[in-house]
Amino acid sequence: GEDVEQSLFLSVREGDSSVINCTYTDSSSTYLYWYKQEPGAGLQLLTYIFSNMDMKQDQRLTVLLNKKDKHLSLRIADTQTGDSAIYFCAESMTGYALNFGKGTSLLVTP
Amino acid sequence: DTGVSQNPRHKITKRGQNVTFRCDPISEHNRLYWYRQTLGQGPEFLTYFQNEAQLEKSRLLSDRFSAERPKGSFSTLEIQRTEQGDSAMYLCASSLSFSEGEPQHFGDGTRLSIL
Repeated sequence: GEDVEQSLFLSVREGDSSVINCTYTDSSSTYLYWYKQEPGAGLQLLTYIFSNMDMKQDQRLTVLLNKKDKHLSLRIADTQTGDSAIYFCAESMTGYALNFGKGTSLLVTP
Repeated sequence: DTGVSQNPRHKITKRGQNVTFRCDPISEHNRLYWYRQTLGQGPEFLTYFQNEAQLEKSRLLSDRFSAERPKGSFSTLEIQRTEQGDSAMYLCASSLSFSEGEPQHFGDGTRLSIL
């Protein structure tokens, strides 16, 4: 989606932390999501955050939201080879139509 | 917990033919969504239903596309007179509707290839 920007590639070593960044243009974006997609598969919901929150933590995942800069990040602690996939950021004003970025391809090397 | 199920997983057809895909949502979810994903892109919203009512359609949904959810359970997406540009992964998702922003859960998609 043209309104959601993500870097295309990220490579990290196993055991390190990964940080995937996303910027969006619409200040009315109320709902923000992170999805993971493995080859040939659908999208797996990882986590989500609403605009009335700044941070959300769920096990190895931490989401940070900077509303002023319209910036969303996903931190994966202790990254494993099984985390290699494409990660999509999505935003929505309406709560039903998700607007996705092009995805960040994460490669985890041993 | 059964997830969102889509059939078929793959469909290959000749240009000009009609195709129909089916989506079975998570059983207690009353919202159902269709998206299209082309290679190297994120999914694009096509349409969504709350129960049997189709509440929103994207401008991407041309008049060759029609979606139904007759009993508020499974949904079908039909493409008539397929074109090369229809080749894509068609993804279905479902969610609850207790509040806006309920997260959407996706199926594995139907990959359509037009010869």
